Amino acid sequence: QQQVKQSPQSLIVQKGGISIINCAYENTAFDYFPWYQQFPGKGPALLIAIRPDVSEKKEGRFTISFNKSAKQFSLHIMDSQPGDSATYFCAASYTGTASKLTFGTGTRLQVTL
Amino acid sequence: EAQVTQNPRYLITVTGKKLTVTCSQNMNHEYMSWYRQDPGLGLRQIYYSMNVEVTDKGDVPEGYKVSRKEKRNFPLILESPSPNQTSLYFCASSYRKTSIWGYTFGSGTRLTVV
Repeated sequence: QQQVKQSPQSLIVQKGGISIINCAYENTAFDYFPWYQQFPGKGPALLIAIRPDVSEKKEGRFTISFNKSAKQFSLHIMDSQPGDSATYFCAASYTGTASKLTFGTGTRLQVTL
Repeated sequence: EAQVTQNPRYLITVTGKKLTVTCSQNMNHEYMSWYRQDPGLGLRQIYYSMNVEVTDKGDVPEGYKVSRKEKRNFPLILESPSPNQTSLYFCASSYRKTSIWGYTFGSGTRLTVV
């Protein structure tokens, strides 16, 4: 059972454009939603994260939008750059001893010149 | 430098030959975990450990073993590898299971079982 569904699987965006990656979750107990960025040959690294008490979080060119009622959240990369070309994973978890981080299936982003 | 170190980075082995992938972290993290990454499936948790001598199964534990005898080390053991265990493996650590500081991942081990 895929608890976190991510789309699209791949994305090509021109330099300067906006990249948008979407995720939907099923478990309403989730209360922590991070995004990880992975470059080829490297492990994933935390990019930005949000909790459901806010609808948006912005860090530089990266913004998470969160819609609690729809159980969806998305990553927006403004002014996309070739250096942003990577695989992006959304994830979700809830605070509790039995919780763990559940990842989406990943989106391979390519930013072209 | 705070890091998670995995070895080896690349490994080609034959079916049935026992192997161990090592993982070590220098951040005094309590929580450690192993994931495998496969195309179209994302990252799936194999095993995790809440602390020394405390381990539990993740989503895809079949064919794997782990141990946590020291806080810093969390080796992944494949006692009889099979071709369906060909994958990219990541070790991760964190202060807690759910941490606002996120998981720190190693650089990965690409395993091929022929």
